[in-house]
Amino acid sequence: DVVMTQSPLSLPVTLGQPASISCRSSQSLVHSDGNTYLSWFQQRPGQSPRRLIYKVSNRDSGVPDRFSGSGSGTDFTLKISGVEAEDVGVYYCMQGTYWPSFGGGTKVEIK
Amino acid sequence: QLVESGGGLVQPGGSLRLSCVVSGFTVSNNYMTWVRQAPGKGLEWVSLIYSSGNTGYADSMRGRFTISRDNSKNTLYLQMNSLRGEDTAIYFCGGGPNSGNSGPASWGQGTLVTVSS
Repeated sequence: DVVMTQSPLSLPVTLGQPASISCRSSQSLVHSDGNTYLSWFQQRPGQSPRRLIYKVSNRDSGVPDRFSGSGSGTDFTLKISGVEAEDVGVYYCMQGTYWPSFGGGTKVEIK
Repeated sequence: QLVESGGGLVQPGGSLRLSCVVSGFTVSNNYMTWVRQAPGKGLEWVSLIYSSGNTGYADSMRGRFTISRDNSKNTLYLQMNSLRGEDTAIYFCGGGPNSGNSGPASWGQGTLVTVSS
């Protein structure tokens, strides 16, 4: 199974400041079809998950452009250019190149 | 919109069937999944079904859980048998257009399953 490792576990951020979450996979996520199936999900407190980013860097419809994804192979990053109060929650990376698996989550909170 | 139901309290060894009624897209034409979240824990994949009808299960659920769909009702199901305490979780259905290997683009609100005597 592919293991997804996120860091940090907890990320206190000052409003308006940038934030960065790392996600590493135990194997390369490049699929035989040439795509890299790495997605990011946000789960606000008490809510269902919501997909933000798919195939490394593609933002879903309605996702603010302060969210961006990057990376390749086994190393990926989610960046928030300026954290807003509504960004509080847990962020998960997910790989779908193999049997899908999620990272353990990173909790973003306001300092 | 995805609306789950069917959760509740069940004894160890018991069975439960979860339903996910979908509106806005056709279940049979899309990749659909079940993902669960134990209390205070992270997300865990349970099962998936492709538009082709092919299915997949996490190792710990294979042989106990069955994913299916009713095209006439545009509904996704998860039949859960031989339930254990560690199956206690909120179960989310997800999927729809632009899902597939990128994970669910749409999610339901979840239904809570509690396995306890």
